[in-house]
Amino acid sequence: AQTVTQSQPEMSVQEAETVTLSCTYDTSESDYYLFWYKQPPSRQMILVIRQEAYKQQNATENRFSVNFQKAAKSFSLKISDSQLGDAAMYFCAYMVRENTGNQFYFGTGTSLTVIP
Amino acid sequence: EAGVAQSPRYKIIEKRQSVAFWCNPISGHATLYWYQQILGQGPKLLIQFQNNGVVDDSQLPKDRFSAERLKGVDSTLKIQPAKLEDSAVYLCASSLNSWLAGGRNTEAFFGQGTRLTVV
Repeated sequence: AQTVTQSQPEMSVQEAETVTLSCTYDTSESDYYLFWYKQPPSRQMILVIRQEAYKQQNATENRFSVNFQKAAKSFSLKISDSQLGDAAMYFCAYMVRENTGNQFYFGTGTSLTVIP
Repeated sequence: EAGVAQSPRYKIIEKRQSVAFWCNPISGHATLYWYQQILGQGPKLLIQFQNNGVVDDSQLPKDRFSAERLKGVDSTLKIQPAKLEDSAVYLCASSLNSWLAGGRNTEAFFGQGTRLTVV
């Protein structure tokens, strides 16, 4: 069974500093996708970054980058130069493709506070 | 490109009443999801549609929840009768059929959600 674990319910970071959010997952699949979503108080889930499992290179999107360790089934998110607007819930998600549509599995989330 | 549309944004009802939520996915997205998100938790899948067929409804409380996507486009989720524990945010999401997309744009796109309060 696919499970996604986020072991840090809450994290805080000083503005302009760097923070890393942890995520581990369990799967027997070799082809899958991993995502980090941000959910601000407005509730809309916004994609932050995506990683395809067959790609060894870690994905980066501006201040956001991941450390993808496939063998360890670990997928952490690093936020550099943290900004006040980064404060939100962050969800790690795993996706496997099925012929009936993509199947998503979400972690329980990490609440990030950015301290001015 | 228009995003996933949901309505209403907020709803307050008394227990044992009924309520319906509407979702219009991104045009061309074959897969539509309804999630329930209780405060402080991650989204929990209630039902997944592929076009107008149900792919997964294993976690849908079928004695009180129902959903349909009759023409394979927009969808309605209904709760009847509501219980206090149904208070949550109901999120709708959609995604491309990745077999057609060749793996591109594989993420789920979410609407703004409906916050339901049952009193």
